[in-house]
Amino acid sequence: AQKVTQAQTEISVVEKEDVTLDCVYETRDTTYYLFWYKQPPSGELVFLIRRNSFDEQNEISGRYSWNFQKSTSSFNFTITASQVVDSAVYFCALSSLLDSSYKLIFGSGTRLLVRP
Amino acid sequence: DTEVTQTPKHLVMGMTNKKSLKCEQHMGHRAMYWYKQKAKKPPELMFVYSYEKLSINESVPSRFSPECPNSSLLNLHLHALQPEDSALYLCASSQDRTSYDNEQFFGPGTRLTVL
Repeated sequence: AQKVTQAQTEISVVEKEDVTLDCVYETRDTTYYLFWYKQPPSGELVFLIRRNSFDEQNEISGRYSWNFQKSTSSFNFTITASQVVDSAVYFCALSSLLDSSYKLIFGSGTRLLVRP
Repeated sequence: DTEVTQTPKHLVMGMTNKKSLKCEQHMGHRAMYWYKQKAKKPPELMFVYSYEKLSINESVPSRFSPECPNSSLLNLHLHALQPEDSALYLCASSQDRTSYDNEQFFGPGTRLTVL
């Protein structure tokens, strides 16, 4: 079975703190893609990153960084020096060849609240 | 233009009403999706259109009827809904459905309330 687990339901931090959102996935496939989406209060899901299963290089984009570790089936997301505008629900998602419908399998989401 | 638009933003309807949700994209994408999202839950896939043909129906009740008039437009026709159908309805598009690495671009959603 394919599954994405985001164990942190809610995280609250004070502005400028660093915060890491955890994502653990399960799949029998060797070829798959992992995604992170942000959903601010406005409702729209905003694509943040896509990573394929053959590329374990970590990625940094401004204050955002992602750590992909196949050995632990994790794809964690870190926000450095968090800002109030980072407050949102963050979803990790998986897509693979095993599921021929190419569906996005979403985790349950982590609600991040950044307080001023 | 990398935007998916949805109208209306909010919709309140009675259980006997008929209404439609509209989604539009001009990115040349050939796959379009409808999702339903309840509060504090992840989006749940409802339908997928690929090249204007319905390719996935996730066992959605017939009171929801999708339509894809052309490659840029996706509608969701609603009839005889129940209060438990109240949710955020999200539309998304991607380059095509068969490439699992294609990210989906989401619209802002229609917040539906069924009284």
